[in-house]
Amino acid sequence: GENVEQHPSTLSVQEGDSAVIKCTYSDSASNYFPWYKQELGKRPQLIIDIRSNVGEKKDQRIAVTLNKTAKHFSLHITETQPEDSAVYFCAATTGWGNYQLIWGAGTKLIIKP
Amino acid sequence: EADIYQTPRYLVIGTGKKITLECSQTMGHDKMYWYQQDPGMELHLIHYSYGVNSTEKGDLSSESTVSRIRTEHFPLTLESARPSHTSQYLCASSDQGGEKLFFGSGTQLSVL
Repeated sequence: GENVEQHPSTLSVQEGDSAVIKCTYSDSASNYFPWYKQELGKRPQLIIDIRSNVGEKKDQRIAVTLNKTAKHFSLHITETQPEDSAVYFCAATTGWGNYQLIWGAGTKLIIKP
Repeated sequence: EADIYQTPRYLVIGTGKKITLECSQTMGHDKMYWYQQDPGMELHLIHYSYGVNSTEKGDLSSESTVSRIRTEHFPLTLESARPSHTSQYLCASSDQGGEKLFFGSGTQLSVL
């Protein structure tokens, strides 16, 4: 079955610097890759997603890139701010018709002032 | 406002008690899910439903049960709570495609 590996488990960056979180997936049939952000004590929320027919997608300071050949996708956050501190989860779809999301283990992003 | 509502927000109970965690959504979604998550840790799927009278077990073995009698309601029941059940339980729903999930605020369960 599908497996999603996420690295690093913890990432600490200086405020204003960029942060990159990487995920690899095993099922070449996966075609949808979302990223969720979970702030401390809050619910996970979708922040950006990408489909397999697109190589890159941007939304203000966040972007996601997809390399189908290598089967990995990455979240990029530029000009990090304190409010970016959270746990970030990647996921990939599996199955046919009724899709299921397979989740990465999460990355705790710490923004240092 | 369309949302997913979970009650209670926090629950502390003794070992052996039967509990039901409530989840209701006004999103108009057919698919609903229950996840178990320790704070800031992995999301483990324990149950899901594709619609009324449909329930399936997830990847994580769980001693809980669920029911789906109404589209908007997806309660989770523990017949006999144990300290190992202490965790946060997140309910979620998704549209027909099943890709974009919307989560409730969660129930933090502590079993003493």
